[in-house]
Amino acid sequence: DVKVTQSSRYLVKRTGEKVFLECVQDMDHENMFWYRQDPGLGLRLIYFSYDVKMKEKGDIPEGYSVSREKKERFSLILESASTNQTSMYLCASSLDRGGNTIYFGEGSWLTVV
Amino acid sequence: QKEVEQDPGPLSVPEGAIVSLNCTYSNSAFQYFMWYRQYSRKGPELLMYTYSSGNKEDGRFTAQVDKSSKYISLFIRDSQPSDSATYLCAMEYGNKLVFGAGTILRVKS
Repeated sequence: DVKVTQSSRYLVKRTGEKVFLECVQDMDHENMFWYRQDPGLGLRLIYFSYDVKMKEKGDIPEGYSVSREKKERFSLILESASTNQTSMYLCASSLDRGGNTIYFGEGSWLTVV
Repeated sequence: QKEVEQDPGPLSVPEGAIVSLNCTYSNSAFQYFMWYRQYSRKGPELLMYTYSSGNKEDGRFTAQVDKSSKYISLFIRDSQPSDSATYLCAMEYGNKLVFGAGTILRVKS
């Protein structure tokens, strides 16, 4: 089974802190994604990566950056956390670029106070 | 206007009922249609994937796509309390994947 692991499930951070969310997948997928999920808004794509050291902006990249130094690892970085970044963050990986092969992690719940 | 519209619910039904979940969309370029199930405090998992108009069945689940009306549905027969979850529709064209907001379903025993 494909496993996408988000090591931090629940975090509470202060405004202005730098936050790292880590994601690791074990299926050798080339494609990895970070989404945030908010009530009534569904999943919104923050950043994605189709290859190591490659990154592309999604629909809501402002306030975020990413790092992909190894194929299996995709990190989301909040340079200076703000209260409007309180949300659930979902990492995903996929075999191809389509939605039928995408696998999600269990999510990281971030609260910024 | 959102590209994909989905009633957030919650939808509450008794055990054994037939459930109908729906999404509408505005972009006729969408070619692939998916339904994901998301349990509380978990990530979404793929339930159904369809390409063309028509029906696709998998056990108690049937996905229906009507491209002419830009409308997709997920039917759940003989619903069980274990079906209680949020159901997200998703649509794709090119490499762009767009999700609905999700419908909360509660099946009462």
